[in-house]
Amino acid sequence: EDQVTQSPEALRLQEGESSSLNCSYTVSGLRGLFWYRQDPGKGPEFLFTLYSAGEEKEKERLKATLTKKESFLHITAPKPEDSATYLCAVLRKDSGYALNFGKGTSLLVTP
Amino acid sequence: DGGITQSPKYLFRKEGQNVTLSCEQNLNHDAMYWYRQDPGQGLRLIYYSQIVNDFQKGDIAEGYSVSREKKESFPLTVTSAQKNPTAFYLCASSIGLGKTDEQFFGPGTRLTVL
Repeated sequence: EDQVTQSPEALRLQEGESSSLNCSYTVSGLRGLFWYRQDPGKGPEFLFTLYSAGEEKEKERLKATLTKKESFLHITAPKPEDSATYLCAVLRKDSGYALNFGKGTSLLVTP
Repeated sequence: DGGITQSPKYLFRKEGQNVTLSCEQNLNHDAMYWYRQDPGQGLRLIYYSQIVNDFQKGDIAEGYSVSREKKESFPLTVTSAQKNPTAFYLCASSIGLGKTDEQFFGPGTRLTVL
């Protein structure tokens, strides 16, 4: 059974303090790994898709990387507006390409 | 603007009532999905549809029903058989047809059972 585990559950950073969020997965054949950002009371907002080990994607202060067992979301010099819950998900082999989500990492960036 | 709309944003239901949540997309996507989100849990798949007039149960379909009569629309009915319906419901769509592209989500509907 596909599993997605995110760590830490919660992370508090000072503005400018860089860090990484982890997403470890066990799937029988990765078809795609996705990162989303979710603000309270809103739907997830798509950030990145990664398909193969060694792939990297960047967007502003965020950089996502992928290995055969895990993905990292690196946040460089975060700002308070980066505060949100970050969700990791893998494409499922069954269920019509639905997503299997981790529980998320809640990030708080303080001034 | 292309996107996914869900209505209503907030919904209150008395026990024993059925309610229907609306989901509409104008992205010309073939595939649509319903997820449920509870505090401290990941999103869980309720139903999905890859094409008009066809849909499949997800992991937690009991107490829910859907229809897909139009490509743009995928309404979800929460029936009285659903034992813990209070949750945040999210609709999503993707290009579908076997393509591994990203899913786009709507703004969600928060359902509260009184």
